[in-house]
Amino acid sequence: GDSVTQMEGPVTLSEEAFLTINCTYTATGYPSLFWYVQYPGEGLQLLLKATKADDKGSNKGFEATYRKETTSFHLEKGSVQVSDSAVYFCALLSGGSNYKLTFGKGTLLTVNP
Amino acid sequence: GAGVSQSPSNKVTEKGKDVELRCDPISGHTALYWYRQRLGQGLEFLIYFQGNSAPDKSGLPSDRFSAERTGESVSTLTIQRTQQEDSAVYLCASSLQGRPGETQYFGPGTRLLVL
Repeated sequence: GDSVTQMEGPVTLSEEAFLTINCTYTATGYPSLFWYVQYPGEGLQLLLKATKADDKGSNKGFEATYRKETTSFHLEKGSVQVSDSAVYFCALLSGGSNYKLTFGKGTLLTVNP
Repeated sequence: GAGVSQSPSNKVTEKGKDVELRCDPISGHTALYWYRQRLGQGLEFLIYFQGNSAPDKSGLPSDRFSAERTGESVSTLTIQRTQQEDSAVYLCASSLQGRPGETQYFGPGTRLLVL
């Protein structure tokens, strides 16, 4: 079945550091890929998405590229801020099941001033 | 506009009691989803509604769990005879039509604690 594996946390960085959170997936068909973010005390929000191979999703300085050959969708940001501290979830929507999001376990990011 | 709302935000109950969790989707969204997030885990899919029908209930953990949706709007997730392992955050999401690749918008969740 479908699955998402993302790097174990927690991740602790200093402000302005470079961020990478790895995400790889197994899926049937051609999935759509998502990064969701959960800020402290808030609900899950869509951060970015990509619906086909080689697409790059971007938002708020974050980027992720859909790599079919490596089945990956790694999240990157060039310079993190304290306000980026949150839990980040990688997820996929499989072509075989267009409604059932499959999530990774989440990665807690803490950014220190 | 208003996002997905859920109530209550927190619920503490005793083992064996029934609980009802409510979800109000974004107005006009025909697709509605329930997920569960247990501590330290990713989200698990529970059930999907298209309109008032539930084509996929495969994620419901047991027959103690049921859900309904009325008026293509509000949905209620009911857990009967709650057990401690039901403790989790229950998240509701909605999307416009449930089409492939469509973004699901999540509510803030209901945090359920079963004592």
